[in-house]
Amino acid sequence: GAGVSQSPSNKVTEKGKDVELRCDPISGHTALYWYRQRLGQGLEFLIYFQGNSAPDKSGLPSDRFSAERTGESVSTLTIQRTQQEDSAVYLCASSSGAGYGYTFGSGTRLTVV
Amino acid sequence: TQLLEQSPQFLSIQEGENLTVYCNSSSVFSSLQWYRQEPGEGPVLLVTVVTGGEVKKLKRLTFQFGDARKDSSLHITAAQPGDTGLYLCAGPLRGATNKLIFGTGTLLAVQP
Repeated sequence: GAGVSQSPSNKVTEKGKDVELRCDPISGHTALYWYRQRLGQGLEFLIYFQGNSAPDKSGLPSDRFSAERTGESVSTLTIQRTQQEDSAVYLCASSSGAGYGYTFGSGTRLTVV
Repeated sequence: TQLLEQSPQFLSIQEGENLTVYCNSSSVFSSLQWYRQEPGEGPVLLVTVVTGGEVKKLKRLTFQFGDARKDSSLHITAAQPGDTGLYLCAGPLRGATNKLIFGTGTLLAVQP
């Protein structure tokens, strides 16, 4: 597609349930990123995929968070046993590589009740 | 730790006014980017500055990268309601050029 596509756009889940967020990057973009944005705050780095290299998971806040990417295509971010503090907008971005700007999706707004 | 601090945090102005927002760090960045984020959307890249002292203009927006590459500013001339949004600066982490850190953001509201 022409842009980065994220689904679902909104997700309300009960505390303790698992959720899976999906990101479909721009075709040909080798780099894919997940960020978290809490209400009124800046973007917090979570994880970065570059081609077939091992992902940079240094931003994942706990072992309840994990992400996968198949080759240079779709990525899924999974949050297990969700907590209320996980409520945020989860943004996915892709880029052509170092030195290039990111193209972001519209995000998934996650609300844990 | 590399941090990017933006000021002001919030800015509410009338249509037609000029404004400047700032992005400051104690660390040197190889480049800085500016993004604008509208409600319910992801940030959109506005510009990348790579040379100390560089000035780039995008219609009514003027971006400057500090000589020492530790700071940047965004000046908007004759602001319009369509300029409303969250402005974010971002720069690559030292030693991890593929990964951006983002500033704290400036939320701009332009009243008609």
